[in-house]
Amino acid sequence: NAGVMQNPRHLVRRRGQEARLRCSPMKGHSHVYWYRQLPEEGLKFMVYLQKENIIDESGMPKERFSAEFPKEGPSILRIQQVVRGDSAAYFCASSRTGGEDSPLHFGNGTRLTVT
Amino acid sequence: QKEVEQNSGPLSVPEGAIASLNCTYSDRVSQSFFWYRQYSGKSPELIMSIYSNGDKEDGRFTAQLNKASQYVSLLIRDSQPSDSATYLCAVSNNAGNMLTFGGGTRLMVKP
Repeated sequence: NAGVMQNPRHLVRRRGQEARLRCSPMKGHSHVYWYRQLPEEGLKFMVYLQKENIIDESGMPKERFSAEFPKEGPSILRIQQVVRGDSAAYFCASSRTGGEDSPLHFGNGTRLTVT
Repeated sequence: QKEVEQNSGPLSVPEGAIASLNCTYSDRVSQSFFWYRQYSGKSPELIMSIYSNGDKEDGRFTAQLNKASQYVSLLIRDSQPSDSATYLCAVSNNAGNMLTFGGGTRLMVKP
């Protein structure tokens, strides 16, 4: 019974390149959330998606960042033209429903390093 | 003012003692409250959820919620070195699951 799967675990990109982070939710979960964690800080909400829909992207920077959760396949967080400040751990979480009775389960994260 | 505040610590307690972790939140309409444990370099792991005022116990863990004071706490009884981790308080202020996290409190349990 696999949990939330994220890949890659570690990603190194040079400034200006694109970063693609993938997340497969737990089986039976159709709600996906992306969070960013800077060193020694808490998690910051970025975006909440259901299949083929963005529900809330209020935490996501307006430029260079985008997210999708297609009908088939994993959710993708895409960062274009990365800068050093994008270096962080990016965690994906999933839940069965969007209600409070369905807690979030987190993946192991992708650690992005921009050189 | 941060929406969810925690003392960053580290909070150091001896093995076998009670560890008390505190969290305050600013949004009065917050409805759901969670404690996550995060080991260094690992993902957050849900350990407790609480939705109504009072105490909720699960094994060595007790969550306490006081909505009037906008305060939620986590007590860990009989602390073990394996409890050493960062504890994240999270709050949801709507019917959904978009959580706002505090910065976390680092707990160190010394043998």
